[in-house]
Amino acid sequence: ELKVEQNPLFLSMQEGKNYTIYCNYSTTSDRLYWYRQDPGKSLESLFVLLSNGAVKQEGRLMASLDTKARLSTLHITAAVHDLSATYFCAVDGATSGSRLTFGEGTQLTVNP
Amino acid sequence: EAGVAQSPRYKIIEKRQSVAFWCNPISGHATLYWYQQILGQGPKLLIQFQNNGVVDDSQLPKDRFSAERLKGVDSTLKIQPAKLEDSAVYLCASSLRTVNTGELFFGEGSRLTVL
Repeated sequence: ELKVEQNPLFLSMQEGKNYTIYCNYSTTSDRLYWYRQDPGKSLESLFVLLSNGAVKQEGRLMASLDTKARLSTLHITAAVHDLSATYFCAVDGATSGSRLTFGEGTQLTVNP
Repeated sequence: EAGVAQSPRYKIIEKRQSVAFWCNPISGHATLYWYQQILGQGPKLLIQFQNNGVVDDSQLPKDRFSAERLKGVDSTLKIQPAKLEDSAVYLCASSLRTVNTGELFFGEGSRLTVL
């Protein structure tokens, strides 16, 4: 059974600071996704990582994938309040089609 | 492009009652998923359809949950009878698997409260 673990689960940081969220998974996969969820809202796709060494950046967020280590990171640069949300990583463990297993989520709060 | 549509957005029922949720995926998306998200947790897959066939329902509590996808488009998820622990947001998602991405697109969700 595919297991996906994120840490930290809760992160409180000040505006302007940098931090990294980690996502570890238990079985071989080269397809990993990051989603953002605001309170009471659905999941918004942030990044799609499809190969070892993949790196994607959007604004203050950068995601990377190391399939050999079974690890993905989501790096936050110079955080701003608007980044406050819950971030989920999800791993595709299917051999055909897509079947995502989600981590528990990291609840990020950026304080002024 | 229209997104994944779900209804109702909110539903409050008493335990042992029944409830049904409806989902209309993005046009052309052959794969449809129902996820359950309990407060404070990540979404958990309940069932996956490819067109109108079930691909994976291994985590669906079949004694009380059922789902169907007639004609390979809309889908309905039913719970009967509901238990307190079924209180959650039920998310529908769809995907169009291509060579480059298997990204899932989620609806707004249906929030169920069982009293």
